[in-house]
Amino acid sequence: LAKTTQPISMDSYEGQEVNITCSHNNIATNDYITWYQQFPSQGPRFIIQGYKTKVTNEVASLFIPADRKSSTLSLPRVSLSDTAVYYCLVGDMGNSGTYKYIFGTGTRLKVLA
Amino acid sequence: ETGVTQTPRHLVMGMTNKKSLKCEQHLGHNAMYWYKQSAKKPLELMFVYSLEERVENNSVPSRFSPECPNSSHLFLHLHTLQPEDSALYLCASSQEGGGNIQYFGAGTRLSVL
Repeated sequence: LAKTTQPISMDSYEGQEVNITCSHNNIATNDYITWYQQFPSQGPRFIIQGYKTKVTNEVASLFIPADRKSSTLSLPRVSLSDTAVYYCLVGDMGNSGTYKYIFGTGTRLKVLA
Repeated sequence: ETGVTQTPRHLVMGMTNKKSLKCEQHLGHNAMYWYKQSAKKPLELMFVYSLEERVENNSVPSRFSPECPNSSHLFLHLHTLQPEDSALYLCASSQEGGGNIQYFGAGTRLSVL
């Protein structure tokens, strides 16, 4: 059972703001929402994490509505180097009690000149 | 530099070989993970170690054997692999609790001939 749903791909132009929305209808009370970026043949890189409302750091913002059933990653003024796959994740406390993530297919963002 | 180092970066092995992948984290984390990423597929969680104890084994074939001698090191021993095991193998570490942000290594690109 997939925990998150996000668009398979998006195109944008340099300098534009990009918003990627993720649905997580079955999010649990203790789940955080985490976004990663992955370039080809590299490991995923942490971008931002939030629990509720809005979180902002030096690279992105994360908007989470009150019901927490979705979230939106906002990338301001993207550049060609932001072309990557972006994963939205919610936690999953497995039977062992260990917190783990289930990666989906992610959103393939292509930034055009 | 994420603080998680994987060696080797590339590995080619025959089906009858035995090899090992190494992961070392310099972040003081207490959990470590092995993931497999095949071409154009999501990351698959293979093993989870918490406080040096294996707490998750996601139905991984016995030809993959993990080892966690201490909290900073994780190995994946490989023997009698199949060509379909060719993939990018990623190691990650995290500090359990809260959002459990995982930090990934650059991966080992494995080719089984």
